[in-house]
Amino acid sequence: GDSVTQTEGLVTLTEGLPVMLNCTYQSTYSPFLFWYVQHLNEAPKLLLKSFTDNKRPEHQGFHATLHKSSSSFHLQKSSAQLSDSALYYCALSDRSNTGYQNFYFGKGTSLTVIP
Amino acid sequence: EAGVTQSPRYAVLQEGQAVSFWCDPISGHDTLYWYQQPRDQGPQLLVYFRDEAVIDNSQLPSDRFSAVRPKGTNSTLKIQSAKQGDTATYLCASSPFWGGGNQDTQYFGPGTRLLVL
Repeated sequence: GDSVTQTEGLVTLTEGLPVMLNCTYQSTYSPFLFWYVQHLNEAPKLLLKSFTDNKRPEHQGFHATLHKSSSSFHLQKSSAQLSDSALYYCALSDRSNTGYQNFYFGKGTSLTVIP
Repeated sequence: EAGVTQSPRYAVLQEGQAVSFWCDPISGHDTLYWYQQPRDQGPQLLVYFRDEAVIDNSQLPSDRFSAVRPKGTNSTLKIQSAKQGDTATYLCASSPFWGGGNQDTQYFGPGTRLLVL
């Protein structure tokens, strides 16, 4: 069945270093992939969404590339900021032949950026 | 544009009590989702609606859980006879018009934190 895997539960980085959070997925159909960010005591907010035409989405300095060959959608940023500290969820949405959507979230990666 | 609103924000119950959560989606969004997010885990889809119709409720934990969206706008998620294992944050999300090209993007409300003692 469909699933999303985030291998890192906790990531701690020093400010200014690059960020890479891993996300791999399994999907029966042609999915959209998402990154959501959740700050403490807030709801998840959309950070990035994959494009159907293989463009690389970017937002707030973050970007992610959908690699269908490796079923990955890793989140990257060149330089971490203190305000990037949050929970990051990779999510998948696909649609079966009947038109029904399926949604799956990974377990999340907690990113802590230290001075 | 107003976001997704939910109430109450917090609820504390004894086992066996019932509780209802209310969600008001973004105006014009025809799809509404309910998620359960246990502590330190990602959101897990419980049920979703398109307008007033339930599209998928196969992940509702048991017959103790029910959800309705009678007029295709607001929605209520109810837990009958709550158990300690129901302790979690319950998130509501909505998506724009089906077929509008952005129907897969979900906008989340602030959630309701439930503690069952």
